[in-house]
Amino acid sequence: EPEVTQTPSHQVTQMGQEVILRCVPISNHLYFYWYRQILGQKVEFLVSFYNNEISEKSEIFDDQFSVERPDGSNFTLKIRSTKLEDSAMYFCASSKTTGSYEQYFGPGTRLTVT
Amino acid sequence: KQEVTQIPAALSVPEGENLVLNCSFTDSAIYNLQWFRQDPGKGLTSLLLIQSSQREQTSGRLNASLDKSSGRSTLYIAASQPGDSATYLCAVASNAGNNRKLIWGLGTSLAVNP
Repeated sequence: EPEVTQTPSHQVTQMGQEVILRCVPISNHLYFYWYRQILGQKVEFLVSFYNNEISEKSEIFDDQFSVERPDGSNFTLKIRSTKLEDSAMYFCASSKTTGSYEQYFGPGTRLTVT
Repeated sequence: KQEVTQIPAALSVPEGENLVLNCSFTDSAIYNLQWFRQDPGKGLTSLLLIQSSQREQTSGRLNASLDKSSGRSTLYIAASQPGDSATYLCAVASNAGNNRKLIWGLGTSLAVNP
């Protein structure tokens, strides 16, 4: 069964460094999402991406964040200058653009900023 | 602005009990509602998706119902087992445009005791 994959599973970085989180969505899905979950808090929507552009972004998704689909399979989230408060679990999801729009989630990347 | 609330926040039951988890949302204009399971420090496992036109969905010992007009969903777990111990999250997808971002509740932490 197709699944969403994410790499790395755990990333440790120093404050101020750039990180790139990678996702491979399900191949016939066209809508892509990033969410994050700070420890003990709700899962929060960051950004949705369709047809090679951002469809919607939340207030969290400021100029420090960017997304890209560099090729036909990868979908990346870049944080330019990480802050301590960026420490969280980051989840990628994908969905079709018809039918139920059910979102399928990757296993997540745990980002730790020190 | 959509808000999702889940009660109770935590639940501890003996093995074998039938139990009900509750989810409420403030804006009834939803496209679908998904229930997820999350084990500690792990990813999001989709359990059930209910379309806005549906009243309930069943998978094994799980049954989810949806009352869109009152902004409520319940997840019923029959004959609970220790392996059901996890956090259960409810998320609603917006009905606005084609962007189906998910808005999440904080979850119900379930402990099933042998």
